[in-house]
Amino acid sequence: DAKTTQPTSMDCAEGRAANLPCNHSTISGNEYVYWYRQIHSQGPQYIIHGLKNNETNEMASLIITEDRKSSTLILPHATLRDTAVYYCIVSHYSGGGADGLTFGKGTHLIIQP
Amino acid sequence: DAGVIQSPRHEVTEMGQEVTLRCKPISGHNSLFWYRQTMMRGLELLIYFNNNVPIDDSGMPEDRFSAKMPNASFSTLKIQPSEPRDSAVYFCASSGTLVTKNIQYFGAGTRLSVL
Repeated sequence: DAKTTQPTSMDCAEGRAANLPCNHSTISGNEYVYWYRQIHSQGPQYIIHGLKNNETNEMASLIITEDRKSSTLILPHATLRDTAVYYCIVSHYSGGGADGLTFGKGTHLIIQP
Repeated sequence: DAGVIQSPRHEVTEMGQEVTLRCKPISGHNSLFWYRQTMMRGLELLIYFNNNVPIDDSGMPEDRFSAKMPNASFSTLKIQPSEPRDSAVYFCASSGTLVTKNIQYFGAGTRLSVL
């Protein structure tokens, strides 16, 4: 799986949009971009994923650049409960079975009151 | 749905003892994963199963670790004998693949302390 690069930490004011960048310059054509987060002492939680189009769900939006070498996770109105480590993961999906995820160090997002 | 269920939530044992961690995946999911998390190494994939068959166990640290999935609703991760360096949080995750495209749902984890 392709390697990802994320900032170690970020701050965001409560109520503002949190924009978390991720670089994945070696991504291949059949690899998806997944975002998970881990709130302290809990198991990782899936947020969103995409292949090449921008995606939005009830939690967040995912913007993928046209060349697919980077992406941005957007939390539109951050709350204190969004303080967590956010992981950007690139993973192959063949349709024949799942693959394990390779977690990096992620971005520690701290929402400030 | 109750989600992925792991037991026990906490385990404290002495070096040399056998430890068994248990996982019940989400009903209908056909992929199951075991991960380990430590401060030093972060989250690491240990092993995963598709349709109860082990696919990749290259992350299992050594022969002291073994994992089984006797049926679609149960898996175990066993450490025998345990060592202090095995102390970590162990997570189990499951995925439904066809519909959810490798979206993995994690359990709450088992915090293992080996003294």
